[in-house]
Amino acid sequence: SQQGEEDPQALSIQEGENATMNCSYKTSINNLQWYRQNSGRGLVHLILIRSNEREKHSGRLRVTLDTSKKSSSLLITASRAADTASYFCGRHGNNRLAFGKGNQVVVIP
Amino acid sequence: NAGVTQTPKFQVLKTGQSMTLQCAQDMNHEYMSWYRQDPGMGLRLIHYSVGAGITDQGEVPNGYNVSRSTTEDFPLRLLSAAPSQTSVYFCASSYAGGKGGRGNSPLHFGNGTRLTVT
Repeated sequence: SQQGEEDPQALSIQEGENATMNCSYKTSINNLQWYRQNSGRGLVHLILIRSNEREKHSGRLRVTLDTSKKSSSLLITASRAADTASYFCGRHGNNRLAFGKGNQVVVIP
Repeated sequence: NAGVTQTPKFQVLKTGQSMTLQCAQDMNHEYMSWYRQDPGMGLRLIHYSVGAGITDQGEVPNGYNVSRSTTEDFPLRLLSAAPSQTSVYFCASSYAGGKGGRGNSPLHFGNGTRLTVT
């Protein structure tokens, strides 16, 4: 299994603060993908970072990948109430995308 | 484009009944997959397909069958429903390849089917 741990699993922050989530994995990957899920709806893709990339940005999102430590982090800067959601990292390898248990983020207005 | 469409949205079954969860995508994606999501367990891969006529097992395939006769459709069959199959089921699709090679395309998810087995 490519599943790993996501840390922290629950995070509560004030609007305007930054939120950081981490994700680890055990075996080699082609890429790592971050998704957001609101209120039990389907996951929405945020960022994909390939195994030969170290950092990617998309708006207020920044993802890093450290293949030597088999870990990735997602940073949300200047959080908004609308960022309240669950965030999942998916590890891609062998035609499969394996997800962890996710991080619940609550942004307090 | 409708994206990924799952039907039904909700379903209640009795133990032992069978049913098919439907999934259709209109993006001409080669890759399709089924996940189940349970509280505290994240999403677990049930079955996936890399193209019409090709399917493979994921992490939790027991009790489920799939087939892929067309690019657009990937139905998930519960052969004899059990309470342990109470869950939210998500279908997702993507291009098989992408920049840099196979798998470098994000998944597009449907909105899920909420199944209760009593």
